Amino acid sequence: DGGITQSPKYLFRKEGQNVTLSCEQNLNHDAMYWYRQDPGQGLRLIYYSQIVNDFQKGDIAEGYSVSREKKESFPLTVTSAQKNPTAFYLCASRSEGQNFPHSGNTIYFGEGSWLTVV
Amino acid sequence: ILNVEQSPQSLHVQEGDSTNFTCSFPSSNFYALHWYRWETAKSPEALFVMTLNGDEKKKGRISATLNTKEGYSYLYIKGSQPEDSATYLCAFMDWSGNNRLAFGKGNQVVVIP
Repeated sequence: DGGITQSPKYLFRKEGQNVTLSCEQNLNHDAMYWYRQDPGQGLRLIYYSQIVNDFQKGDIAEGYSVSREKKESFPLTVTSAQKNPTAFYLCASRSEGQNFPHSGNTIYFGEGSWLTVV
Repeated sequence: ILNVEQSPQSLHVQEGDSTNFTCSFPSSNFYALHWYRWETAKSPEALFVMTLNGDEKKKGRISATLNTKEGYSYLYIKGSQPEDSATYLCAFMDWSGNNRLAFGKGNQVVVIP
């Protein structure tokens, strides 16, 4: 079945360590996104990529890094520079194809990854 | 940063009752408004993508309306059932060309049997 797979679902990290969250999609979508959710907050955009080998910072990119070497993969690295990394991380993808009138293309989400810094 | 507000943040509804909640978004440079349902331990699931002022969409007992001129959308649940318990997310996209969705904090709905 087509979809988005995030791994691991739960991850514990020691302070000062980098950790990489995996996001893979087989939907042939061009755009991929990483969001973060904290209690009482909406989803906040960390990084996004509209095409292979290209990505842009979102609203809270500090302390994170990404790569987009393949269309189906968009891993997120939480670095030791991220001051408050404990959160729920959600990956998403979207097709860039547009027909007039535009469809506003739906986003498809993974099931998320819980990261806890201990 | 685009400001998307949802209210009320949480609500409890008796089974069989109808309910509605609001999403407010910037009224300029409108491109699209998305509604998602997010059940616990699952991925958010798309309900509606709305693009034209006056749009009304329906999926079973759930419907939504859109007013782009004043910057709001309503989501209605008719005859609430326990399976409607979820967080409903609203997301706004503008014409800036960067393909970013700005999400509200969600409307958490609990349907009481």
